[in-house]
Amino acid sequence: NAGVMQNPRHLVRRRGQEARLRCSPMKGHSHVYWYRQLPEEGLKFMVYLQKENIIDESGMPKERFSAEFPKEGPSILRIQQVVRGDSAAYFCASSPLSEGVNTEAFFGQGTRLTVV
Amino acid sequence: TQLLEQSPQFLSIQEGENLTVYCNSSSVFSSLQWYRQEPGEGPVLLVTVVTGGEVKKLKRLTFQFGDARKDSSLHITAAQPGDTGLYLCAGSPLAGNNRKLIWGLGTSLAVNP
Repeated sequence: NAGVMQNPRHLVRRRGQEARLRCSPMKGHSHVYWYRQLPEEGLKFMVYLQKENIIDESGMPKERFSAEFPKEGPSILRIQQVVRGDSAAYFCASSPLSEGVNTEAFFGQGTRLTVV
Repeated sequence: TQLLEQSPQFLSIQEGENLTVYCNSSSVFSSLQWYRQEPGEGPVLLVTVVTGGEVKKLKRLTFQFGDARKDSSLHITAAQPGDTGLYLCAGSPLAGNNRKLIWGLGTSLAVNP
């Protein structure tokens, strides 16, 4: 999983501030996924993106959260007006373009967001 | 809602022992993956199983996919302290977006020297 780069590793924000989490997929991977992990809830799917397209954002809260994967540059998960409940580990994963059922995703090391 | 239940939730054993952990669902999956996650790190893919009844071996780890593709098991032979970690299973649903993995909560394994 060393190929998927996430930054920052740790992020502290005060309530009401914005959090920007970055993810650079593995070389050659055109699909990016964001997950949130809480100790008692496990990993939860948030959003699935291809370059310049959001494919599935059914796991993303309707308000304050947005994601993008521009043609150039990393994927960004943006959380506006953070609240304490947003504190969690956010993981990005990437996979290559594939038509098969093997959705092998490779994960980054995560960004641990703490809202104080 | 598709759910994956993993058991046991916690397991603490001595080095050299064998163990099996389980991943069960009432739903059918097109494929199922096992990951290991260490504290402060992201999940690392161990194996993907696709065919019902499939068995895959990875050194001392043996993975089996149930015939009906609803459940899976992971067996570790002669466990070592380096096997310590959180073992997660994740399934690709048959319908809808098969890239939207459904995750279990994991089995936290501690192997004591």
